[in-house]
Amino acid sequence: KQEVTQIPAALSVPEGENLVLNCSFTDSAIYNLQWFRQDPGKGLTSLLLIQSSQREQTSGRLNASLDKSSGRSTLYIAASQPGDSATYLCAPVNSGGSNYKLTFGKGTLLTVNP
Amino acid sequence: NAGVTQTPKFQVLKTGQSMTLQCAQDMNHEYMSWYRQDPGMGLRLIHYSVGAGITDQGEVPNGYNVSRSTTEDFPLRLLSAAPSQTSVYFCASSYSLRASTDTQYFGPGTRLTVL
Repeated sequence: KQEVTQIPAALSVPEGENLVLNCSFTDSAIYNLQWFRQDPGKGLTSLLLIQSSQREQTSGRLNASLDKSSGRSTLYIAASQPGDSATYLCAPVNSGGSNYKLTFGKGTLLTVNP
Repeated sequence: NAGVTQTPKFQVLKTGQSMTLQCAQDMNHEYMSWYRQDPGMGLRLIHYSVGAGITDQGEVPNGYNVSRSTTEDFPLRLLSAAPSQTSVYFCASSYSLRASTDTQYFGPGTRLTVL
């Protein structure tokens, strides 16, 4: 059974700081890994998807890396802004037959202070 | 496109009542799923569907039924509500999880309280 751990559980930083969110998973036989953002009281928004054959993926100030063999992914946020405040979740997708599923971590609650 | 829509946004039920949470998507996605999100537990998969007429159980299926008669709709039925089903429910869809470029699109959620 896939288990996903996200560290830290919460993070508070001043505006402008670069930061790294960590995600580890126990089953490395993944199809891809997705990072999501969730604002309070809202649904999830997909930020980045890294295929299992990729090492990293970039979108604007966001860069996600994947080390499948060690079961780790990181989300790097450059020059953080107050609007980045949200909960960030990672979710590896496991392969195998028709039972594709995402397993979510509990998330990292990020607060960026002006 | 409206994306993934869910109704209602909020619902209060009494123990033993039944209800249906509605989910619809207008992106012609094959894959649809239901999750519940509880504090300290993260999101857990309830049921999923890989196409019209095909459904399967996820991690926490007990107490819930689903059906998929059309590509667009994937309702979740609570048969006899229990306080343990108090949660926020999210519906999600993607073209297909088999394609490595597919991302999941989530609805805004339904906040359910069972008294």
